[in-house]
Amino acid sequence: GQSLEQPSEVTAVEGAIVQINCTYQTSGFYGLSWYQQHDGGAPTFLSYNGLDGLEETGRFSSFLSRSDSYGYLLLQELQMKDSASYFCAFPSGSSNTGKLIFGQGTTLQVKP
Amino acid sequence: KAGVTQTPRYLIKTRGQQVTLSCSPISGHRSVSWYQQTPGQGLQFLFEYFSETQRNKGNFPGRFSGRQFSNSRSEMNVSTLELGDSALYLCASSSGTEGETQYFGPGTRLLVL
Repeated sequence: GQSLEQPSEVTAVEGAIVQINCTYQTSGFYGLSWYQQHDGGAPTFLSYNGLDGLEETGRFSSFLSRSDSYGYLLLQELQMKDSASYFCAFPSGSSNTGKLIFGQGTTLQVKP
Repeated sequence: KAGVTQTPRYLIKTRGQQVTLSCSPISGHRSVSWYQQTPGQGLQFLFEYFSETQRNKGNFPGRFSGRQFSNSRSEMNVSTLELGDSALYLCASSSGTEGETQYFGPGTRLLVL
């Protein structure tokens, strides 16, 4: 089957660094996406790893290891506004498909 | 560019009724995907439409259906509503060639009583 696992909750303090892990199971893997969703809001795209390695976008970085079926999202210099749910996801069926399979989400709570 | 819009934003229905939700994608985007989000099941894929054709389908009963118009706007319909259909329904648009990058609308929150 197809599935993604990520921790349900993570807590960190403002200014710190936090890593949200995601392991996945699927055949025909094309890459891993990350989305952020604030309470009551829509998911917003953060990053995509189509190849192994690290992708950096400002304070956020995402990593993928295909051999380990594993990826993570790294958030640096945490701010209160980073408190949100974070989802890893992969396209299912083909690389350009609009069918994303999502993990259950990790709720990040940033404390002062 | 204007973002993805969904109407209505909130809806209350009773069991047995049917509902139609609407989604307007980002201009130029040809793919529209629909997801159901609930606290227990998370984000689950319903279906994707690309160039007016259903390109992908999730594991939902036939009561859930959709369509896409020539201007890429999409509608989804749920017939014979059940209490368990209460959820946030999200649509997302993408170019059609980069499905990993989807832009979500604000969602329609459906409550079935």
